[in-house]
Amino acid sequence: QVQLQQSGPGLVKPSQTLSLTCVISGDSVSSDRATWNWIRQSPSRGLEWLGRTYYRSKWENDYAASVKSRIIINPDTSKNHFSLQLNSVTPEDTAVYYCARGGVALAGAGLDYWGQGTLVTVSS
Amino acid sequence: EIVLTQSPATLSLSPGERATLSCTASQSVSSNLAWYQQKPGQAPRLLIYDASKRATGIPARFSGSGSGTDFTLTISSLESEDFALYYCQQRSSGPPAYTFGQGTELEIK
Repeated sequence: QVQLQQSGPGLVKPSQTLSLTCVISGDSVSSDRATWNWIRQSPSRGLEWLGRTYYRSKWENDYAASVKSRIIINPDTSKNHFSLQLNSVTPEDTAVYYCARGGVALAGAGLDYWGQGTLVTVSS
Repeated sequence: EIVLTQSPATLSLSPGERATLSCTASQSVSSNLAWYQQKPGQAPRLLIYDASKRATGIPARFSGSGSGTDFTLTISSLESEDFALYYCQQRSSGPPAYTFGQGTELEIK
C-alpha cells in the first residue's frame, strides 16, 4: 500500500520560501513508472497542478507556467521523498498543498495516491 | 492550456436517485480524463481514470464515459456517502501536466 506523508510549516511570511516534504512509503521516488507531483487548492484558484519530478534514465522536472520562475521540486533518493520549494511567496500562495503520485499504469491519466494536505498560510 | 468546464455547479438529489455529472474540455483530450471525489478536510480520491476505468476499490455504481471533449460521471444509485464535491482532470504530455475542472457539488435534496 502506497502512502504519502507530508510535513512542513503551516505559516510562511511574505517574500520568504515555502518548503514542504512528501515522504513515500510503498513505492520509490526513483521508480521509472511513476511521477511525483505537487498540487495546491484554494477557493480562488481551485485545484492547481504546480509541478512534478520523475526518473526516466535521468531525473526530469516539469513546472506550471504560473510558478515556473519560483519553484523547485527535488527528489531525495536516500530518504525516499521529494520536496517543494516555492520562493518569494505572497498571500496569493495561501492554499492547501498536496503531494500525489501519477503516471502509473493502474491509474492511467489519474493521480492515485495523495498526501494528507498541508494548509500553508502566507502572512506576516 | 486546456480548460475543463464542469456542469452543473451544484446538483441536488436524493439517496437512491441517479446522478449525472458533465465535464467538457476546450479541446480534445482523447481518453486522458479522470474523476475525483473530495469530502471536507480530505484529499481528492481517484474514482475513474482513462475516462471509463474504475480505480481500485471504487464501487460499481460509479461509471465514466466519453472521449474527445465530452465526458460524463454517472452514479447509478446515490448512497449517503456519495454527497461530496466531484472534479474532473485531464492529463497532457507537457506542462501543465494536469488541469482540473472547477468542480460539481453533489448535495442532498
